[in-house]
Amino acid sequence: GNSVTQMEGPVTLSEEAFLTINCTYTATGYPSLFWYVQYPGEGLQLLLKATKADDKGSNKGFEATYRKETTSFHLEKGSVQVSDSAVYFCALSGTYSGNTPLVFGKGTRLSVIA
Amino acid sequence: DSGVTQTPKHLITATGQRVTLRCSPRSGDLSVYWYQQSLDQGLQFLIQYYNGEERAKGNILERFSAQQFPDLHSELNLSSLELGDSALYFCASSLMPGQDPQETQYFGPGTRLLVL
Repeated sequence: GNSVTQMEGPVTLSEEAFLTINCTYTATGYPSLFWYVQYPGEGLQLLLKATKADDKGSNKGFEATYRKETTSFHLEKGSVQVSDSAVYFCALSGTYSGNTPLVFGKGTRLSVIA
Repeated sequence: DSGVTQTPKHLITATGQRVTLRCSPRSGDLSVYWYQQSLDQGLQFLIQYYNGEERAKGNILERFSAQQFPDLHSELNLSSLELGDSALYFCASSLMPGQDPQETQYFGPGTRLLVL
């Protein structure tokens, strides 16, 4: 079945450091890929998405490119801020059957220190 | 604010009890999804409703059930609760029935359930 694998956390970075959170997936068909973010005590917010191969999703300085050849959707940000501290989830949707509940990775906790 | 509301925010109950979690989707959305977030299992899809009808089922226990009402709000019923049911339960909504993998799901703030 469909699955998502993310790098284990926690990840601790200094402010203005470069961020990469790795995400790879296994899926049948042509899934869409998503990054969701969960700030402390809050629900999940969509950060960005990409719906086909070579698409780049971007938002708030974060970027991820849908790479079909490596089945990856790594999240990157050039310069993190303390306010980026949160848990980041990679997810996919889409199967041949057409039903699209999201399949999530286990999440990566990011802590940014000043 | 996603526009999806969930009540209550927190729930503490005892083993063997039954609880009901409520979700109101974003205005105009017809599909509601329920997810469970636990420390050991991560985020897992439970069940989806579209316009009042069950659309897809995931890892939902037989002790759990859900429904979507004519006004499109949804309730998740958890019965014969066990310690392991303690988790954060999220509701998400989307416009369509979920046949488009490009469609975004919008999440509510969650209900944190603690079973003692």
